[in-house]
Order: sequence, then C-alpha cells, then structure tokens
Amino acid sequence: EVQLVESGGGLVQPGRSLRLSCTVSGFTFGDYAMSWVRQAPGKGLEWVGFIRSKAYGGTTEYAASVKGRFTISRDDSKSIGYLQMNSLKTEDTAVYYCTRDLSGELDYWGQGTLVTVSS
Amino acid sequence: QLVVTQSPSASASLGASVKLTCTLSSGHSIYAIAWHQQQPEKGPRYLMKVNSDGSHSKGDGIPARFSGSSSGAERYLTISSLQSEDEADYYCQTWGTGIQVFGGGTKVTVL
Repeated sequence: EVQLVESGGGLVQPGRSLRLSCTVSGFTFGDYAMSWVRQAPGKGLEWVGFIRSKAYGGTTEYAASVKGRFTISRDDSKSIGYLQMNSLKTEDTAVYYCTRDLSGELDYWGQGTLVTVSS
Repeated sequence: QLVVTQSPSASASLGASVKLTCTLSSGHSIYAIAWHQQQPEKGPRYLMKVNSDGSHSKGDGIPARFSGSSSGAERYLTISSLQSEDEADYYCQTWGTGIQVFGGGTKVTVL
C-alpha cells in the first residue's frame, strides 16, 4: 500500500524556519518525482514545488511565491522527502501536503501537516 | 500562461449525474489534466488523468461511476449515480515544463 506521511508542522514566528518531512512507503521512492502542495485555511490548492527523480537529475522547481525561501530535497536511501522553509511569512500558513508525482499527475497524497506562521 | 479554470459550484440530486468542466488556457488545448477530490475536513485524493483524446485512467479504488472525457480545451469529470459522500470539492490540475497548476476548485452539493 502506497503511503506518504508528512511531519514537522507547527507554530512558528514570522521570519523563522521550519523543515517538513515526507516519509513514504509502498513504492520505490527514488523512481518518482515528489511535489509539495499547500492549502491555506478556506482556500484552494496551491502548488509549492517539486523535485525530480535522480534519473532526471534530481533538480527542483518552485512556485514564484516561495522561490528563494523554500528548498525541496530528498534522501532516497531513507525514502524521505523534505521541504525546508525559511523566512516564513504569515501568508505561508497552510496545510502542506506531499504528493507522488507520476510524470505530472499527482497520484498519491499524504494526509497533510499544518504550518501556522504567527507571532 | 498555463491556467485551468473551473466553475465554483455545481449541484445535483442524490442518484443523478453531474458533469464538471475544467478549461485549459489558450494554446494549451492538448494538455492532459488530473482530477482530485477533497471531501470535507480531509486531504485530497487523486481520481483520474484525462487526456486530450478523451481517454482516462483512474486511480486505485476509484468507483466506476466516476468517468472522464474531453472536448477541445475542455476536460470533464462526470459523476453518475451521485452518492452523499460525493459532496466534496473537486480540483483539476495540469502540468508543464517545471510547473504544476491547479484550478480554483468546484464545490459539488448533493441535493
């Protein structure tokens, strides 16, 4: 059974950093890209960024709203993906989901982890 | 610019059918899209991929009453024999080189 489990969310002050983890099981993590998607309270889904598999260079892409502040990485040996969030803003408050990226379509989702940025 | 547009709401009676539309921006009519369902207070779930030729491939465990189709720049999700648990937000998603895009979502109400 494919599973993705996010962790690391919580309350953080503006300007501070937080790192989210996504632990996967049920498939070979290294064979797939991974995307992060967020959802602000009462709003729709917003793509944050993704990391390609090593076979495609392991490179990353980001939404304009987080570029330069957020970094996605992966440890295929541990089947874990990461989202490092720096210089957090109140507008980054959202539930963050990791997803398996099947050449574009996001075919499995985690349950999400809530990040609240507030003083 | 790659954009997908959805109507904000739709409704139909229990047991009836509803057809949701996702419209791709100009110049992107050949793009595939994916549909995702988000029930109240839950995370999203992948439903299916819909290609420009109307073919579609569903995710694991998605009931047969969910189907996809296509016409021009429009991609559709049809839910037949509506059940109460189908009351949810439905998002379409597409992708290009280095980018993922979501529509604003359609809230489906089962009457």
